[in-house]
Amino acid sequence: AQSVTQPDIHITVSEGASLELRCNYSYGATPYLFWYVQSPGQGLQLLLKYFSGDTLVQGIKGFEAEFKRSQSSFNLRKPSVHWSDAAEYFCAVGAHSGYALNFGKGTSLLVTP
Amino acid sequence: DAMVIQNPRYQVTQFGKPVTLSCSQTLNHNVMYWYQQKSSQAPKLLFHYYDKDFNNEADTPDNFQSRRPNTSFCFLDIRSPGLGDAAMYLCATSRDPEGARHFGPGTRLTVT
Repeated sequence: AQSVTQPDIHITVSEGASLELRCNYSYGATPYLFWYVQSPGQGLQLLLKYFSGDTLVQGIKGFEAEFKRSQSSFNLRKPSVHWSDAAEYFCAVGAHSGYALNFGKGTSLLVTP
Repeated sequence: DAMVIQNPRYQVTQFGKPVTLSCSQTLNHNVMYWYQQKSSQAPKLLFHYYDKDFNNEADTPDNFQSRRPNTSFCFLDIRSPGLGDAAMYLCATSRDPEGARHFGPGTRLTVT
């Protein structure tokens, strides 16, 4: 069965510290992958996406993610977090030629001073 | 700026009273989606349109319907809202099925 797992429900980091949010997937076909961010009461904003090619993907707001097929992972990273990065982060995975986009349950990021 | 717009941002309806949520887009995307997101949960796809072709997810309740009168607009109709339908409803678009979904700000539905 197709699934997306974000193992960390909550993560707390200090402002200026590095960040890594984990995403693991289980898909029969070659997936395409996204990371979205959602602030309270708002819609989802696309941070970055991977379809094919270079496995290290750069996104907006200084985020990057690396697709590792051997580990079925697509972890999101940022070298130095800002207080404004506090939000809910969703990993999403889809199959080529399909409409369904499976979302993980999200990771809530708290940034402390 | 090209965008996805949802109206209203907040909607209060009474139990059993039909309600319609609207979505419009200036991106000229072929595909439009409606998602339901309950508190602290991931968005759940209800249905989508590829142009005029409508596709319902298997577990979407019959209480939920949708209309897409033209490329730019898509509506979500809830015929008889129950308390369990209180949620954030997100509209999204994509150029094609594999494209990045562009989300609107959402409509927060409260059922009293």
